[in-house]
Amino acid sequence: GIQVEQSPPDLILQEGANSTLRCNFSDSVNNLQWFHQNPWGQLINLFYIPSGTKQNGRLSATTVATERYSLLYISSSQTTDSGVYFCAPGGGNTPLVFGKGTRLSVIA
Amino acid sequence: SAVISQKPSRDICQRGTSLTIQCQVDSQVTMMFWYRQQPGQSLTLIATANQGSEATYESGFVIDKFPISRPNLTFSTLTVSNMSPEDSSIYLCSVRRRAGLAGYEQYFGPGTRLTVT
Repeated sequence: GIQVEQSPPDLILQEGANSTLRCNFSDSVNNLQWFHQNPWGQLINLFYIPSGTKQNGRLSATTVATERYSLLYISSSQTTDSGVYFCAPGGGNTPLVFGKGTRLSVIA
Repeated sequence: SAVISQKPSRDICQRGTSLTIQCQVDSQVTMMFWYRQQPGQSLTLIATANQGSEATYESGFVIDKFPISRPNLTFSTLTVSNMSPEDSSIYLCSVRRRAGLAGYEQYFGPGTRLTVT
């Protein structure tokens, strides 16, 4: 199956700082999603991005499918951005496979 | 998008008992997925449930321990049987919708937080 590596595993930011989270995956995919799991456990869809670049407010994501990686950018971070960010690729008819996540703490 | 509800939202159970988790979706879907998230860990797929056929289980998960029902296109249940403290996890139901030309976007329910004592 698909192998997923996320980096860094943990990240502490001062409020207002920018960050880049990386996701490497082992196989060709036709689906890749980024999720934010808030401190209450709810998984929030951030991006569906099997290729290309998308932006939503302070967040943006880029997937380079041919090189098997995806990046999530967080700009001007806020304390509400804290939580765990998961990258989850999927191929063909298979469901998503989750990486181990990046645990982000934003400090005021 | 998809609106997914799960019941119960949380439960505390004694070892040796069983718990059935319900998942309801706001519209018909072909496939439903059940994931487990152990404390501090990532999500792991338990099984895929298609309506009208037996669920397909991932390596490490068996039907006797995690029986699944899929009686119609908007509903599924997952039972955690003969529970032990190692079963303490968040259990999440998921569905997908077609997105783009050839892909799918998955959506997750709020999860059921299970503690086994």
